[in-house]
Amino acid sequence: TQLLEQSPQFLSIQEGENLTVYCNSSSVFSSLQWYRQEPGEGPVLLVTVVTGGEVKKLKRLTFQFGDARKDSSLHITAAQTGDTGLYLCAGENAGNMLTFGGGTRLMVKP
Amino acid sequence: DAGVIQSPRHEVTEMGQEVTLRCKPISGHNSLFWYRQTMMRGLELLIYFNNNVPIDDSGMPEDRFSAKMPNASFSTLKIQPSEPRDSAVYFCASKVGGSNTEAFFGQGTRLTVV
Repeated sequence: TQLLEQSPQFLSIQEGENLTVYCNSSSVFSSLQWYRQEPGEGPVLLVTVVTGGEVKKLKRLTFQFGDARKDSSLHITAAQTGDTGLYLCAGENAGNMLTFGGGTRLMVKP
Repeated sequence: DAGVIQSPRHEVTEMGQEVTLRCKPISGHNSLFWYRQTMMRGLELLIYFNNNVPIDDSGMPEDRFSAKMPNASFSTLKIQPSEPRDSAVYFCASKVGGSNTEAFFGQGTRLTVV
């Protein structure tokens, strides 16, 4: 089983602060995806990173894939209350199977 | 497209009863996943189908769990007999085959076994 460890598990910050969420594994993935989940809904894709060292930006969100394709980070600049939610990383293996990390539950307070 | 459709949205059943969860993937998607989500264990992959064939069922917790995909537009997850520890939200997701494609999730079935 390919395990993905996310940290921190919980994060509570004030609006306007910056934060970084980490996703680590001992396994190599063909790609890594980040999803966001809101209460009562299924996860929704934010971004896919494929190449080692790749950096992608989505407005205030910056995603990075580690050089060895085993880890990834999500950085949010100037967090807003609308960023509150559960952030999940998911690794895809060569067989196209998608395995999720435990998630980081983010609360942004006004 | 209506997206991935799961039914029922909520299910409350007594311990020992059979439970069947249903999923209709997005048309044209040939990969289908069943996940279980709890606060303690997060989002666990139960089983993965590709072109209606089960590829990996190593996440299925026990023989009480079974999943089928009789055709490209329908899949079921059955628990028989159900136990209180099976209480969770069960998600179905589908995606186009191949790597680096997006998985689309249904809204989930919240199962409570009392």
